[in-house]
Amino acid sequence: EVQLVESGGGLVQPGGSLRLSCAASGTSISSKSLNWVRQAPGKGPEWISHISDGSAISYADSVKGRFTASRDNARNSIHLYMHSLRDEDTAVYYCARGIDYGMDVWGQGTTVTVSS
Amino acid sequence: QSALTQPRSVSGSPGQSVTISCTGRSSYVDFFNRVSWYQQHPGKAPKVLIYNVSERPSGVPDRFSGSQSGSTASLTISGLQAEDEGDYYCCSYAGSYTWVFGGGTKLTVL
Repeated sequence: EVQLVESGGGLVQPGGSLRLSCAASGTSISSKSLNWVRQAPGKGPEWISHISDGSAISYADSVKGRFTASRDNARNSIHLYMHSLRDEDTAVYYCARGIDYGMDVWGQGTTVTVSS
Repeated sequence: QSALTQPRSVSGSPGQSVTISCTGRSSYVDFFNRVSWYQQHPGKAPKVLIYNVSERPSGVPDRFSGSQSGSTASLTISGLQAEDEGDYYCCSYAGSYTWVFGGGTKLTVL
């Protein structure tokens, strides 16, 4: 069974930094694209980053310049480095595997709370 | 306002069919054959129902179907069941390896 497990969430002050990880099992991610999607409390999902199977990386305007995504094929995982965090970054962060132009496998999410 | 517009809510009785629409800005039309649909229950991660407008991943019942006409994509759920109650989101590829989600539709099974 293919599984994605996110970790690294927590409480951080505005302006702070955090690193999220997403570990895959049951499949190799080396030939797959992956995405980071977040969901603020009471809101719908928001796509924030895509890592292609060729390691090209794209970001939503809302996080560009503050967040950096990376892939570690050797550890079958991806990471999201988040800097200059704001209150509005408070959300559950999911990683999701790409299938064509959709997302077919999702992790359970990790919660990030930005608050003083 | 979301770039993809969905009705806030829809409802239906068990056994009936419901359709949820997703209308995109004209700038997304070129990518509207790359729409996916997700179901989400409270406290759970989204689950893919449809990708590439009408393709169903293995394990998704054929009660769920997708279609597209111009800049409007639609998800139809036939033979409505109590467990179908939840939130539904469309998502479209928006070019340059970016994606956008709709605002979501709450489905109530009466």
